Amino acid sequence: GAVVSQHPSWVICKSGTSVKIECRSLDFQATTMFWYRQFPKQSLMLMATSNEGSKATYEQGVEKDKFLINHASLTLSTLTVTSAHPEDSSFYICSATGELAHNGQYFGPGTRLTVT
Amino acid sequence: GESVGLHLPTLSVQEGDNSIINCAYSNSASDYFIWYKQESGKGPQFIIDIRSNMDKRQGQRVTVLLNKTVKHLSLQIAATQPGDSAVYFCAEISGTGRRALTFGSGTRLQVQP
Repeated sequence: GAVVSQHPSWVICKSGTSVKIECRSLDFQATTMFWYRQFPKQSLMLMATSNEGSKATYEQGVEKDKFLINHASLTLSTLTVTSAHPEDSSFYICSATGELAHNGQYFGPGTRLTVT
Repeated sequence: GESVGLHLPTLSVQEGDNSIINCAYSNSASDYFIWYKQESGKGPQFIIDIRSNMDKRQGQRVTVLLNKTVKHLSLQIAATQPGDSAVYFCAEISGTGRRALTFGSGTRLQVQP
């Protein structure tokens, strides 16, 4: 149980275009989803917290107009990278938590974004 | 963008030996800690967790030790196997509300056959 999927697993886009990444909880209802970014050889950095039906809470330094987050249902959150630039190239990982037995989060497999 | 010059500390062990991975956390108010394993190109995988009212917890081949006095967490892996090779992160949660994770910097474990 507690499987989280992401789509796509990797994407290459041109500079200036927008890319949408989906995060789905497959077998549980995720009241909260988190989006992380991870650069090579670095740790995961929290970008934003997304609660179903409400606006996302962004971490300091993360541009909310550039990284649009939508959590329209209890099983789906989307992250849209708008006007992507090469410096946005990174590994984007979502996690989900809900009515689970512990406080931990279940992570998706990640999406590798490369902006050319 | 990518930061230049950052390297994960690496622990290299022989297959069959025990491994100890350490983590120093920063927030004395953190009340829940988790160890994750991350293989290349994949998302983090839950290994074991511990609450702040405990100082030790054991799982299958893994043990987590928590020392709140010095804000130190360790992960012990018994009889390390090649499949244990990965990057290991500790993470902490503090406070109420959204319960977001704060990740440590990570340690790469290399198991030599």
